[in-house]
Amino acid sequence: GAGVSQSPRYKVTKRGQDVALRCDPISGHVSLYWYRQALGQGPEFLTYFNYEAQQDKSGLPNDRFSAERPEGSISTLTIQRTEQRDSAMYRCASSADLAGRETQYFGPGTRLLVL
Amino acid sequence: QQQVKQSPQSLIVQKGGISIINCAYENTAFDYFPWYQQFPGKGPALLIAIRPDVSEKKEGRFTISFNKSAKQFSLHIMDSQPGDSATYFCAATPYNQGGKLIFGQGTELSVKP
Repeated sequence: GAGVSQSPRYKVTKRGQDVALRCDPISGHVSLYWYRQALGQGPEFLTYFNYEAQQDKSGLPNDRFSAERPEGSISTLTIQRTEQRDSAMYRCASSADLAGRETQYFGPGTRLLVL
Repeated sequence: QQQVKQSPQSLIVQKGGISIINCAYENTAFDYFPWYQQFPGKGPALLIAIRPDVSEKKEGRFTISFNKSAKQFSLHIMDSQPGDSATYFCAATPYNQGGKLIFGQGTELSVKP
């Protein structure tokens, strides 16, 4: 079956522009997570949703970052007024389990480069 | 402090040998400890996971050893194969915070033929 998909796979943008990163979770998965992964580092938690409700946004670096999942399926991570330090791989994961003790399936990621 | 420390940063093992990766944590509220495997250009994939009520879990060639009192856990890969060459991440999930994963820094494993 289809796994988690993310688009675009690569995004190059100029400093100050807004970007929107999309995540399509596995069909029926109730939980959706966003992580950021710097080169050579482990993924860093950003935020997560159960259905359409954002449960925890403690990992969002600042108020330029926001995320939504309005219908409990597709999610968008938006970065406003991008800065060079935002350059990273942004990964999405989904899970069938609300308690978070089952497998999180990761997508291929969106590589963001801010010039 | 929600942090997981992983070592070594890189590891070279001969085919057939045992690969051992270690992780330590400080937050006693962690209650789920998965290991993820990541190949170049791919997202992390769950390899094996353990809960703190057991001291060891084995799945095929992969074993997690868990020491609750020392707040340490480790991954052992028996009979390591070149196909095991990948980056391995330990992680931990805090109690009552859904599936929020706190990852270690990663270990790049290379298994030489």
